[in-house]
Order: sequence, then structure tokens, then C-alpha cells
Amino acid sequence: NAGVTQTPKFRILKIGQSMTLQCAQDMNHNYMYWYRQDPGMGLKLIYYSVGAGITDKGEVPNGYNVSRSTTEYFPLRLELAAPSQTSVYFCATKGQGANQPQHFGDGTRLSIL
Amino acid sequence: GDSVTQMEGPVTLSEEAFLTINCTYTATGYPSLFWYVQYPGEGLQLLLKATKADDKGSNKGFEATYRKETTSFHLEKGSVQVSDSAVYFCALVGSGGGADGLTFGKGTHLIIQP
Repeated sequence: NAGVTQTPKFRILKIGQSMTLQCAQDMNHNYMYWYRQDPGMGLKLIYYSVGAGITDKGEVPNGYNVSRSTTEYFPLRLELAAPSQTSVYFCATKGQGANQPQHFGDGTRLSIL
Repeated sequence: GDSVTQMEGPVTLSEEAFLTINCTYTATGYPSLFWYVQYPGEGLQLLLKATKADDKGSNKGFEATYRKETTSFHLEKGSVQVSDSAVYFCALVGSGGGADGLTFGKGTHLIIQP
């Protein structure tokens, strides 16, 4: 009963390095989201997808890229890591219907030094 | 745009105390409202939701009522336990359908002392 799986759980990057945060779901949900959580600031939406091949920017997309080639996977790419991207990143999915709740992974804690 | 305001924490209570966490929102139309809970080291879990005015969401002894007239969705529990210690987030989905994600409050850290 995996639900939403995020890897890695922790990562330390140097400034300027790149990496991909992985998100996989087995719920067959069309909607997927990436959020970042900064201390005392709640969660902010980075990117979202309403289905395979369709992605769109959220509130804070700068410095990130996403792709959605299949229903199951929604990776988040950081091309040139900056200290401002130190955060906890959460992937979430949602089923069809406006009032369906979102289901979250356990997060990736990323530090940029 | 949409926004959610919730009371700042941490909120510290003794076991069996009554809990209220205030949440107010700004949104056009008729948003759906949610409370999520985050335990240490984990992702967010849905606690309860309400999708129209005067609806009451409830789960695990927690309740919240969608008040359109006061644009509020306050979380309450009659008798808290140590295991309720967590961070609680109020959130909304705009009436446009929700494809563009949740709008969250900043979270309220709840600490229950035995």
C-alpha cells in the first residue's frame, strides 16, 4: 500500500549542482503536485500536472523544472542549486473531482551548502 | 488571490484540555476547506474537510464547520491527547476545480503536555 513514494529522503548539495527529486504514485491519480515547505511558511506550490504530458507552473516555479511522461512519475529537477532552495519538498496526488483530498509523500529534505 | 490565515503557534495545552485553532480565509466563490495534520518527519495527512457552507467535517474527535458568513473554518477538539501533538494546516481549494493545488496557512504547532 505504497501510495506516494518520494526519494531520496535526505540530500545535501553544493551550490551549482543539479539533482532530480523522484516522486512515484500507485494510486492512478491524474493530478500531481510539488510543494516546498519552509519553516513557519506553510507549503508553496512549485509545479503541478493534470495528466501525463501536461504540466503547469505554480506559485514558486523559478529554478525548477518538471516532466510527466507517465501517470505514475512526476520528477522535479533542480538545474543549478542555490541556497534559497534549501527546503523540504513534498509531492502530492489527487483523484478526479474538485473536492478530492490530496495525498502526500513523506518528503525530501534538501540542503544546499 | 486566495489566502488562508491561521493562528500562530506553538500552542501548548495540557492533556484533556479543549482545543481551538482559528482559521480564516479569503477566496472568490465557494472554496472547499481542509485541515491537514503533519506528524514529525512525515508528510501531511488529511484530517477533515468541508465542501460547502455550514458543512461540518469531523474525524478522530476533531471538528470544523464551514462558516461562509465569517469566512472561517476553526478546528476544535473537546479533549486533546499527547498523541495529538503535531503541526496543523488549514487549506483551501478554489472553486475553479482544484487543479492548481491547495492554498495553505502557515501551520500551527500544537504541543500537548501530559
